[in-house]
Amino acid sequence: EIVLTQSPGTLSLSPGERATLSCRASQIVSSNYLAWYQQKPGQAPRLLIYDASTRATGIPDRFSGSGSGTDFTLTISRLEPEDFAVYYCQQYGGSPYTFGQGAKLEIK
Amino acid sequence: EVQLVQSGAEVKKPGESLKISCKGSGYSFNIYWIGWVRQMPGKGLEWMGIIYPGDSDTRYSPSFQGQVTISADKSITTAHLQWSSLKASDTAMYYCARHQKRGVGRDAFDIWGQGTMVTVSS
Repeated sequence: EIVLTQSPGTLSLSPGERATLSCRASQIVSSNYLAWYQQKPGQAPRLLIYDASTRATGIPDRFSGSGSGTDFTLTISRLEPEDFAVYYCQQYGGSPYTFGQGAKLEIK
Repeated sequence: EVQLVQSGAEVKKPGESLKISCKGSGYSFNIYWIGWVRQMPGKGLEWMGIIYPGDSDTRYSPSFQGQVTISADKSITTAHLQWSSLKASDTAMYYCARHQKRGVGRDAFDIWGQGTMVTVSS
């Protein structure tokens, strides 16, 4: 089973700043099959990025994904107030398709 | 509109059985994998397993294998998650979610249900 470790656990930033979230896998993620999701309180997760770097439909271009192999990054170029939420990475290169433990992006 | 609509919240006692549902609409239900994700109170997301409704091919996480049963009924475009004997530790929100691409087993979830809260308490 691939273990995904997200860092930092909590990131405190202000609107307008740049956010960088990391996701490290315990082994190589096949075909860079890695996704990022956003979850707000009381809501279901929302797909942001798939295949490590492809934005999902309707996702603003301030969200970008990068990385390969075992190290992946989600970058939010300029934070909007609605971006403060919890973010999860998920690998689907090998079953079980595990999630990271989550990273909370909070307003400073 | 493509959507997944889940059944309502449940309150059960330990040892009871339960089956929750996830109805797909607005797309060809048979040819997209559907999965289940657990979220315990205040915790992260856990991938439980997926099913291909077309032939009921099912894959489980080892953590959930033998603890739950995932099924799908093509005739009513509905996936199910069931327990034969609930424990207090099954208390969680359960989400169903659909894979993005038709027929693709290794994929991200693009459409999510609203979640079903299951509470198990004596």
